[in-house]
Amino acid sequence: DAKTTQPTSMDCAEGRAANLPCNHSTISGNEYVYWYRQIHSQGPQYIIHGLKNNETNEMASLIITEDRKSSTLILPHATLRDTAVYYCIVRAYYGGSQGNLIFGKGTKLSVKP
Amino acid sequence: DGGITQSPKYLFRKEGQNVTLSCEQNLNHDAMYWYRQDPGQGLRLIYYSQIVNDFQKGDIAEGYSVSREKKESFPLTVTSAQKNPTAFYLCASKAGATDTQYFGPGTRLTVL
Repeated sequence: DAKTTQPTSMDCAEGRAANLPCNHSTISGNEYVYWYRQIHSQGPQYIIHGLKNNETNEMASLIITEDRKSSTLILPHATLRDTAVYYCIVRAYYGGSQGNLIFGKGTKLSVKP
Repeated sequence: DGGITQSPKYLFRKEGQNVTLSCEQNLNHDAMYWYRQDPGQGLRLIYYSQIVNDFQKGDIAEGYSVSREKKESFPLTVTSAQKNPTAFYLCASKAGATDTQYFGPGTRLTVL
């Protein structure tokens, strides 16, 4: 699975959009970009994933560049409850194989009033 | 409510004792995973199971054991052979047709 690079920490004002970047310059054509977040002392929570096209769900939007070497997770209106560590993970879809996710250190997002 | 439960949330044990962490899911998922997380670190895979009665070692299986007798349950035993067992333990599951994993709330184990 390709390696990802994320900033260690970011701040965002409450009510503003939070844009979290992720670099994955060695991504392969069959690798997806996944985003999870982990609120302090809780289990990670799935947010969104995508392959090539931009994706949106009720939690967030995922923008993947045309060359797929980087992506941005957008939380459109951040709230205090969005304060968490956000993980960008790149992995191929293996179907029935090991299937574990490799979590790095992620980005600590602090949403401030 | 469908989901993954882990119990207990906090667990204290004396050094040298084995301890078993519970993980149950009612999502009808085939695959289940155990991860370990240390402060300020990412998750590391301990064991995983793709199907009932089958499981495989992950990256840090030494000192741990698991069983998968039922689809819903994947308990993890931390044995006395695990040299540094104090950590946050996370269980996850996923449906066979997807790669999205769903996590339980975690168990924080402290060995005194």
